[in-house]
Amino acid sequence: DTAVSQTPKYLVTQMGNDKSIKCEQNLGHDTMYWYKQDSKKFLKIMFSYNNKELIINETVPNRFSPKSPDKAHLNLHINSLELGDSAVYFCASSQGQGGRTDTQYFGPGTRLTVL
Amino acid sequence: GQNIDQPTEMTATEGAIVQINCTYQTSGFNGLFWYQQHAGEAPTFLSYNVLDGLEEKGRFSSFLSRSKGYSYLLLKELQMKDSASYLCAVSPPPDKLIFGTGTRLQVFP
Repeated sequence: DTAVSQTPKYLVTQMGNDKSIKCEQNLGHDTMYWYKQDSKKFLKIMFSYNNKELIINETVPNRFSPKSPDKAHLNLHINSLELGDSAVYFCASSQGQGGRTDTQYFGPGTRLTVL
Repeated sequence: GQNIDQPTEMTATEGAIVQINCTYQTSGFNGLFWYQQHAGEAPTFLSYNVLDGLEEKGRFSSFLSRSKGYSYLLLKELQMKDSASYLCAVSPPPDKLIFGTGTRLQVFP
């Protein structure tokens, strides 16, 4: 039983292309997140959604657009890919019942390489 | 501002005890998490502290002092499989995590 799943696991593409990463959770959680982990292994939050509503947007370039069709899915679309976008992108989810910090559960990650 | 500091690397011997420290300065505090991340894998939850004191979970314990902005993760009876990165993360507002840069622990036989 996969709790938080992401596709694809690996993504290699050319600069300037547009790509999407998909995330799904079957934990019944209300909140989902996207994180970026760079080559120095620093994990930084990008976005979070609670029940399909954008809650956190951490000054990420406009080329990154998250979309949440329902509370179990949070996709990340990236336009005009740049070399600096190369990283591992993790999706996560938490119960997210507001006013309380809940444990976040991470997906397996998507390693994006921009050539 | 938000700042979380941990040592970059640590080494230890199988069977030993190791303590990984984390100091933080954040605007607001809603708890501190420790995650383990093996190379090429996702972070997995280890512990959560929101009140001062020690939380014990098997071989792993985590301590928090809110007044000092300080936490540590204690790993006992180290095993080779404990070689991983250990990430300290603080939650300022609810449901947002600020991660430290992680401590890479290498366990030698």
